[in-house]
Amino acid sequence: DAMVIQNPRYQVTQFGKPVTLSCSQTLNHNVMYWYQQKSSQAPKLLFHYYDKDFNNEADTPDNFQSRRPNTSFCFLDIRSPGLGDAAMYLCATSRGGQPRGYTFGSGTRLTVV
Amino acid sequence: DAKTTQPNSMESNEEEPVHLPCNHSTISGTDYIHWYRQLPSQGPEYVIHGLTSNVNNRMASLAIAEDRKSSTLILHRATLRDAAVYYCILRHFNTGNQFYFGTGTSLTVIP
Repeated sequence: DAMVIQNPRYQVTQFGKPVTLSCSQTLNHNVMYWYQQKSSQAPKLLFHYYDKDFNNEADTPDNFQSRRPNTSFCFLDIRSPGLGDAAMYLCATSRGGQPRGYTFGSGTRLTVV
Repeated sequence: DAKTTQPNSMESNEEEPVHLPCNHSTISGTDYIHWYRQLPSQGPEYVIHGLTSNVNNRMASLAIAEDRKSSTLILHRATLRDAAVYYCILRHFNTGNQFYFGTGTSLTVIP
């Protein structure tokens, strides 16, 4: 089945140590998104790629970066994780220009120790 | 971005219909209304979407007010597996693809 896959499912990192979360998709969707979801809160959009064009949300901290080497893969890099960055990170995809919505991955739960 | 307002929580008895309301008084003519739900420890999943007319699929029905300033997600027979947070989201079709989530409604299904 076509899907959005996030690895790993759970990630533990040390305070200040760079960490990378990955997302892959078999849907051939041209738009990929990263959301941050803290406990008991709604998902918050960090940034998205429309094809190769990177679009950052105005309030996304500089500590968060993203890379999209090809259509299928997208990475979220946290350069210096703080305790406040502990959250579920969700990757989603969509086909640009169509009203049908997103397909989400199952998320990566990040713990910062 | 157009904003949605939903009740924080609702309860329903199992096997009974559930009507989840959403207000979106600032909706524009090109905003689609999307509903997603999120089960515990999972990513959100698509439920239904519509523009002006009522919509039905195997999961739910979407009733859209004539003035489009509100909508209702209808689960015809709630099951325990329907316990989730339900998000009503407006998506501007022309100017972008981004979803901005509101607070959602946490649905509890009582056996």
